[in-house]
Amino acid sequence: DAGVTQSPTHLIKTRGQQVTLRCSPKSGHDTVSWYQQALGQGPQFIFQYYEEEERQRGNFPDRFSGHQFPNYSSELNVNALLLGDSALYLCASSLRVSFHGYTFGSGTRLTVV
Amino acid sequence: AQSVSQHNHHVILSEAASLELGCNYSYGGTVNLFWYVQYPGQHLQLLLKYFSGDPLVKGIKGFEAEFIKSKFSFNLRKPSVQWSDTAEYFCAVRLNYGGSQGNLIFGKGTKLSVKP
Repeated sequence: DAGVTQSPTHLIKTRGQQVTLRCSPKSGHDTVSWYQQALGQGPQFIFQYYEEEERQRGNFPDRFSGHQFPNYSSELNVNALLLGDSALYLCASSLRVSFHGYTFGSGTRLTVV
Repeated sequence: AQSVSQHNHHVILSEAASLELGCNYSYGGTVNLFWYVQYPGQHLQLLLKYFSGDPLVKGIKGFEAEFIKSKFSFNLRKPSVQWSDTAEYFCAVRLNYGGSQGNLIFGKGTKLSVKP
């Protein structure tokens, strides 16, 4: 059990569509980060949410947006999907104060056709 | 830009062989260092981490890593690998901005295949 829950586990979308991925952090964690892991690559940081605000952002276009809810869960939205958006999307949670590390979810495998 | 380099893309070993996976990073400030393992179809699992103190860090499943600040390195080692260690291994660095939640910068990963 990863402690971080992501849904769905897999999905297939068509180019140009929009997608929403969901993440529930580990109990007690208040910060959620999203990463994109392309095939054969290490995860790349998309953005991080804390107190319902985007706190940091990686080098991803505005088509990638997110949200954090009062219960600390989070969504990742991707608009105008491209074939290159096909990847494993990972959610990681952490505790902002007294940081000890990140706990990763199992990811959502997105395939864009 | 800060980066993390893992020297080996794919390592093939026989059971009982010793393992060392290289990791170097490019950042001159304070860092937190991590090694994660990803078994096929599973989530990233933390093997070990270094925040401060003793540069030789022991993790789960018999893995250890040594932080050498002068070389900007954090190499992963295991004296004797098992078939069950077959997985992909990722080195990651978090830039420590003194309390700010810096994000993780990952290497590209090293795939380890252990032959029974």
